[in-house]
Amino acid sequence: EVQLVESGGGLIQPGGSLRISCAASGFSVSSNYMTWVRQAPGKGLEWVPVMYTGIRTYYADSVKGRFTISRDNSKDTLYLQMNSLRVEDTAVYYCARKSMTTFALDVWGQGTTVTVSS
Amino acid sequence: QSALTQPASVSGSPGQSITISCTGTSSDVGGYNYVSWYQQHPGKTPKLMIYDVSTRPSGVSDRFSGSKSGNTASLTVSGLQAEDEADYYCSSYTNSNTLVFGTGTKVAVL
Repeated sequence: EVQLVESGGGLIQPGGSLRISCAASGFSVSSNYMTWVRQAPGKGLEWVPVMYTGIRTYYADSVKGRFTISRDNSKDTLYLQMNSLRVEDTAVYYCARKSMTTFALDVWGQGTTVTVSS
Repeated sequence: QSALTQPASVSGSPGQSITISCTGTSSDVGGYNYVSWYQQHPGKTPKLMIYDVSTRPSGVSDRFSGSKSGNTASLTVSGLQAEDEADYYCSSYTNSNTLVFGTGTKVAVL
């Protein structure tokens, strides 16, 4: 079964760092474009970063320079390293797989909650 | 990277049809046929409903259809049912090799 499972969310103080993970099963993260999408409480979806096959990555302006997407191919796991966290980064973070044939996100994880608060 | 513009809410009675618009620019919606639509019920994960403007993934009801004209894409839900009450988001590929989502539309079934 194709599945994504996020973990690592929690409560962190402003200015702190946190790494969240996304374990894939049923497919290889190295062969797919992977992305993180976040949703602040009561708000809409916001694309965060995308990692294409190889080393190409792109980031939303709101997180550029603070967040880094990476993956461990041997573990089929995607990561999001979040530094210099701000209150406005509070959200549910979903990892998602881009379809092999188009720019749609066809597989989503259940999400992990990150709360930035003092 | 401005969000695509959607109406905040749309409502309809059971059996009716509704249409949700999604307006972008020539750098995203208007420039590519990579518009997709997602349905999200409260507390749930988004679900892909339409991709490539008008293609339905396997298992999605044919009551959902998509189209595009210029910089505006649309999602139509025909034969509205109570289970269609949810938030809907459009998304598009952009000329910066990134993705952008719409502001979201809450659909209410009266």
